Parts: sequence; structure tokens; C-alpha cells
Amino acid sequence: GNSVTQMEGPVTLSEEAFLTINCTYTATGYPSLFWYVQYPGEGLQLLLKATKADDKGSNKGFEATYRKETTSFHLEKGSVQVSDSAVYFCALSRSGSARQLTFGSGTQLTVLP
Amino acid sequence: GAGVSQSPSNKVTEKGKDVELRCDPISGHTALYWYRQSLGQGLEFLIYFQGNSAPDKSGLPSDRFSAERTGGSVSTLTIQRTQQEDSAVYLCASSPMRGGAYNEQFFGPGTRLTVL
Repeated sequence: GNSVTQMEGPVTLSEEAFLTINCTYTATGYPSLFWYVQYPGEGLQLLLKATKADDKGSNKGFEATYRKETTSFHLEKGSVQVSDSAVYFCALSRSGSARQLTFGSGTQLTVLP
Repeated sequence: GAGVSQSPSNKVTEKGKDVELRCDPISGHTALYWYRQSLGQGLEFLIYFQGNSAPDKSGLPSDRFSAERTGGSVSTLTIQRTQQEDSAVYLCASSPMRGGAYNEQFFGPGTRLTVL
């Protein structure tokens, strides 16, 4: 079946540090890949997406590239801010009619000033 | 416009009682999903509704769980004879399903269920 494995947290960084959160997946066919973010006290929000191999999703300074050869979708940001503190979830949806999301376990990020 | 809303925001119940959780999707969204977020299991898919098609119930953990979607809009997730392991945050999401490779799912704030 489909599964997503993401880097265990928690991750603590200083402001302006470089961020990488690793994500790998197992899926049949050609899934779409996503990063969702959950800020403290808020609901899940889509951060970025990529729907085919070699696509790069980007938003708010975050980037992730769909790598089919390594089945990966690592999240990166060059310079994190305190406001980026949140839980980040990698997810996939398989092609087909249902398209429910399969999530990774989430990575808690804390950015210190 | 209004986002996905869920009620109640918090629910505390005793083991063995039945509970109903409500989801109001974004107007015009034809797809509706229920997920569960728990400490032990992370975020799990429960059930999916799309238009008038039969729902995809493949994620429901037991026959104590059921869901309805009336008139293609509001959905109710019912848990019968609640158990302590049902304690979790129940999330609802809706999607416009306009076709193409992907349709974004918009999540509600969730209902936190605590079974004592």
C-alpha cells in the first residue's frame, strides 16, 4: 500500500538557519505529493504541492522537488523565521477517483530567535 | 468566504456512549473527507464522499464508526459505544474536485474527542 516516511522530530533551529525535513514515499502509480503545515492552534493548511516527477513546489520561501528516482520530496527553506514554528506533514495522494491523503507522522519545528 | 466548519470543537464523553461529530464543507465542494489525528497513529484517512457516489469507507477502523452526508453537503460522523482508543482529533476536509491531476483539500479546525 501507500506510505510516507518523514524525518522524526522535534527539530529546533535558530532563526535564519537552513531547514531540511526529509520525506520519502512508497506508492503505486504516479502519486501527487504535498507538504501541509499546522501552526499552533490552527488547522492543517496546504504549504506546497507537486503533481509529477521533477516538479518543484514552492511557497513562503519553502521548496520541495518531486524526485521519482529516489521516491523523495524533501522540504527545504534557506532561512527560517520564528513564525515558521509549526508541525509539518508530508503527504501523498494516489491517482484515481478517491485521492485521499496518506500522511507522514509529522515533524515539529521550533525556531528560536 | 467561509471555510470548513466543524462542531463541536471539543467533546468529552464516557466510554460506551455514542457521539456525533458534524462537518459543514465549503459551499460548492463536492468531495468531503474525514480523517483522524491521534498520538499513536498520526493522521489517518477514515471515509470519503464524492457527489452521489457510494462513499469510500476503506479507512473506518471498526463497524462502530459510520458517516452520512445529507444532500451532498453537511456530513455527520457517528461513533457508537465509544472506547478510550477513539480519543483523537477528528478532521474534516472538502475539495472542489474540478478534475485534473489534483484538487486541494481544505481542512476544518477539527473536533477534539476525549473518551473517559
